[in-house]
Amino acid sequence: DGGITQSPKYLFRKEGQNVTLSCEQNLNHDAMYWYRQDPGQGLRLIYYSQIVNDFQKGDIAEGYSVSREKKESFPLTVTSAQKNPTAFYLCASSMGQGFLYEQYFGPGTRLTVT
Amino acid sequence: GQQVMQIPQYQHVQEGEDFTTYCNSSTTLSNIQWYKQRPGGHPVFLIQLVKSGEVKKQKRLTFQFGEAKKNSSLHITATQTTDVGTYFCAGPAYNNNDMRFGAGTRLTVKP
Repeated sequence: DGGITQSPKYLFRKEGQNVTLSCEQNLNHDAMYWYRQDPGQGLRLIYYSQIVNDFQKGDIAEGYSVSREKKESFPLTVTSAQKNPTAFYLCASSMGQGFLYEQYFGPGTRLTVT
Repeated sequence: GQQVMQIPQYQHVQEGEDFTTYCNSSTTLSNIQWYKQRPGGHPVFLIQLVKSGEVKKQKRLTFQFGEAKKNSSLHITATQTTDVGTYFCAGPAYNNNDMRFGAGTRLTVKP
């Protein structure tokens, strides 16, 4: 079964703690992405990676960090510096680079920070 | 910076009625993609349009890309309850280092 997995589905943290969200894909896709979705809004790009060991900031990268050590994995760390971390986080992947290909999304992680 | 605007924000229709959502970008797009997100779910790719003036159909769904490649529309004929969800348009930023999504149109269908 090919696809993207994100875990956990729901995550609760106290303010001031860093938290890492998992994203794994077995589609053999080169590019991977992290988006944030707030209620009633569209998706906003946090980070993306077009190749292993390389990644670029998206529109709202402040307070987040990523790594891409393996093609299949693209974890996102929400740091304590992120002022409004409570949101729905979506990971995606695509066959090619440059936002020219359809993106496949994982089921998402709902993060609540109190 | 580049903005992608989508209207309407909400649309409530009676089953069998038609539905249209419109997407407008402040800059020319190399391509536009449409996604559907069911309540509580994740976005699912519907289609990509690349050429100026392109029209594509998927059963009851018709997608158009404007001549200037700055606007697009999605039209659903004879809506069904399975069409419920939020429809998003998305396109690459002008410098191709970002993907800009519209805020989405949330469609509800009354049986």
